[in-house]
Amino acid sequence: IVLTQSPATLSLSPGERAALSCRASQSVSSYLAWYQQKPGQAPRVLIYDASNRASGIPARFSGSGSGTDFTLTISSLEPEDFAVYYCQQGSKWPLTFGGGTKVEIK
Amino acid sequence: QVQLQESGPGLVKPSETLSLTCSVSGCSITSYYWSWIRQPPGKGLEWIGYIHFSGSTSDNPSLKGRVTFSLDTSKNQVSLKLSSVTAADTAVYFCACGQYDISPFDYWGQGTLVTVSS
Repeated sequence: IVLTQSPATLSLSPGERAALSCRASQSVSSYLAWYQQKPGQAPRVLIYDASNRASGIPARFSGSGSGTDFTLTISSLEPEDFAVYYCQQGSKWPLTFGGGTKVEIK
Repeated sequence: QVQLQESGPGLVKPSETLSLTCSVSGCSITSYYWSWIRQPPGKGLEWIGYIHFSGSTSDNPSLKGRVTFSLDTSKNQVSLKLSSVTAADTAVYFCACGQYDISPFDYWGQGTLVTVSS
């Protein structure tokens, strides 16, 4: 299953709302997770099963969607949110990741 | 607190076998599904495969059967071997774990860079 993320880069200011898209080449039901990765660090899970926040993740992060279209929304960007975000599907083998969206400071 | 730490040679010659170990603390390796994921410099993430204490394994067909996984319960370690490496296998290699085979990866190691070069 190919996951296509858009846009590749999102240039926003702190306090703005970010909406990141992930589209699957076939249905993944709700088996979709979102990760955040900062330079030199491992990814960390933000959202699992499309809309459930992982432990310790702030409420400004939310996920929505099912089937083939998913969105990660950051309601108000904090300075520490500028990073690369990946979606990952767990519906079908092999597990696959999207190409990533970089959220950068405008 | 679950912690994972990858270790192994940072440089491997083409056609040789890449061997990495993931040392786990804070939980038993019988508790989770253990995956390896890699990331070429400046690029995205690729799932390599997983192993579970039950003996269940799965690997990415893109690696054409070059992958072997193992568990050492006495040392609480997970290992990866990737044979016949080429420059395309140069990447940061992460170990990660999840509660189920398809569940998200809850814990990650910091990653280790492996360069394939003569």
